[in-house]
Amino acid sequence: EAGVTQFPSHSVIEKGQTVTLRCDPISGHDNLYWYRRVMGKEIKFLLHFVKESKQDESGMPNNRFLAERTGGTYSTLKVQPAELEDSGVYFCASSPVTSGYEQYFGPGTRLTVT
Amino acid sequence: GENVEQHPSTLSVQEGDSAVIKCTYSDSASNYFPWYKQELGKRPQLIIDIRSNVGEKKDQRIAVTLNKTAKHFSLHITETQPEDSAVYFCAANPAGNMLTFGGGTRLMVKP
Repeated sequence: EAGVTQFPSHSVIEKGQTVTLRCDPISGHDNLYWYRRVMGKEIKFLLHFVKESKQDESGMPNNRFLAERTGGTYSTLKVQPAELEDSGVYFCASSPVTSGYEQYFGPGTRLTVT
Repeated sequence: GENVEQHPSTLSVQEGDSAVIKCTYSDSASNYFPWYKQELGKRPQLIIDIRSNVGEKKDQRIAVTLNKTAKHFSLHITETQPEDSAVYFCAANPAGNMLTFGGGTRLMVKP
């Protein structure tokens, strides 16, 4: 079974630019989560999709972040415009609807804003 | 909201020794506690988890204990090996499906 995949693995952009991160969950997993780890700190929750609906977006830092999951399959997270403090590793995770607890993580996208 | 504290932040042990990592949580509604291992440059990998109706769970060399009254849970690794070297994260599930993570423990196993 293929795991959660994320693209790109690394992204370096300048302050003010736009970046879009993509996550492909494990096939059949209705629950999709975005998390972020800023250097040296804990992994923090950003938001949770159930299929195409946003279940919880309480962790989104501000309106520069926009997440979508059209059709309930892959998800994108867009940062526009990017700021220096957005640098970090963005993780995506998915879990099957029957479980709702075990979350399987992708390899992450390392975003560097200069 | 939920707050998870993890200690120690770094832990160095000799190969063959045991390692213990401890976490405390604040929200008594949390009922699921996973542990993740992240090797350098790789994804966080779920290694063991425990639910609130169980006090202890073991899987080969790793075990997790949970004390709901005291709101703390611990990861125990016995007979450590160099390949156990990684960053370990504890987490708690306070509401819905989101996870709240501890700050991580960098475990170094010296051969």
